[in-house]
Amino acid sequence: SQKIEQNSEALNIQEGKTATLTCNYTNYSPAYLQWYRQDPGRGPVFLLLIRENEKEKRKERLKVTFDTTLKQSLFHITASQPADSATYLCALDKGGGGADGLTFGKGTHLIIQP
Amino acid sequence: GAVVSQHPSWVICKSGTSVKIECRSLDFQATTMFWYRQFPKQSLMLMATSNEGSKATYEQGVEKDKFLINHASLTLSTLTVTSAHPEDSSFYICSARPGLAATDTQYFGPGTRLTVL
Repeated sequence: SQKIEQNSEALNIQEGKTATLTCNYTNYSPAYLQWYRQDPGRGPVFLLLIRENEKEKRKERLKVTFDTTLKQSLFHITASQPADSATYLCALDKGGGGADGLTFGKGTHLIIQP
Repeated sequence: GAVVSQHPSWVICKSGTSVKIECRSLDFQATTMFWYRQFPKQSLMLMATSNEGSKATYEQGVEKDKFLINHASLTLSTLTVTSAHPEDSSFYICSARPGLAATDTQYFGPGTRLTVL
């Protein structure tokens, strides 16, 4: 089965700096990889999806890269704000075209300090 | 945007009783719905995949007779935790996918906090 590791349980970043979160997977290469935001006691909110044949995806202050050779995705938040503080989850399709749902990492708790 | 609701948002029940959790897609039809479970400081774990009009597909280690899933319509799926025990206490989250493509976005509900005494 797929194993996902996210770089750290918690990450403290100064407001205005770029936050970089890491997601590494160990087994099969997924058809796509997704990033979600989760606030305490809430369900995940979809942020970005990147496909295996894409190197980079951007959305406003967010940027995701996908390196299938390294089996790694990086998630960047530029010009970070305290409101960006949350847990960010990396998720991969479970295989078989993703029809079986998602496998999630434990998440990285990001704290943006004013 | 697409909205998924869950009801109830939290529930406390006695050991041995059954609890039903509803998941609704409010403004789209969901061909497929998923049920996840999340323990504190852990990742979301997929429990089952639910397709409208057919039996749910359960992940390995998830008891289908304990976690009954019914996907009766394109906007409603229910999860019933039967004979609940304290170890079933968890955060249950559903998601709904509007299309058939695996890359179609899954929209998650707000979750249901189950506490079994």
